[in-house]
Amino acid sequence: KQEVTQIPAALSVPEGENLVLNCSFTDSAIYNLQWFRQDPGKGLTSLLLIQSSQREQTSGRLNASLDKSSGRSTLYIAASQPGDSATYLCAGGGYNKLIFGAGTRLAVHP
Amino acid sequence: DAGVIQSPRHEVTEMGQEVTLRCKPISGHNSLFWYRQTMMRGLELLIYFNNNVPIDDSGMPEDRFSAKMPNASFSTLKIQPSEPRDSAVYFCASSSRQGTNTEAFFGQGTRLTVV
Repeated sequence: KQEVTQIPAALSVPEGENLVLNCSFTDSAIYNLQWFRQDPGKGLTSLLLIQSSQREQTSGRLNASLDKSSGRSTLYIAASQPGDSATYLCAGGGYNKLIFGAGTRLAVHP
Repeated sequence: DAGVIQSPRHEVTEMGQEVTLRCKPISGHNSLFWYRQTMMRGLELLIYFNNNVPIDDSGMPEDRFSAKMPNASFSTLKIQPSEPRDSAVYFCASSSRQGTNTEAFFGQGTRLTVV
């Protein structure tokens, strides 16, 4: 059974810092790893999808990596901004379903 | 595309009443998922459909919960009778399965409060 863990649970940083959010999963036989952002009271916005054959994906200031052998993924946020404040969730994709971690709640203060 | 559309956005109902949540997936997507989010348990997968067929409903908490997908553009999640512990945000998501690329897109959710 796939279990997904995210560390840290919460993070508060000043604007401009580079950040690393961690995600670990127990079943290396995942199809893909997807990162989401969730703002308070809102739905989930897909940020990046890394397929099992890929090592990383980039979108703007975001870079996500995947290491299946170690069961880890990281989300790197460069030059953080107050608008990045949200909860970030990773999800391990099995055959036809996503299993979510509990999320990292990020606060970027000016 | 307008994305995944859920209705209603908010629902307040009394214990014992029937509640029906609705979802319209992204056109062309062949997989649909229902999730429930609570502070205590995070995001839990309730059920998913592939090509309108329920594939795995092991996450459905009780027989009070049922889900249908009569066609490729519509799904419902029904709770009958509802209980206060069903209060949560219910999300619908859809994806287009192409090999291992199953990027999922979520709706805005339905916030259910059972009093």
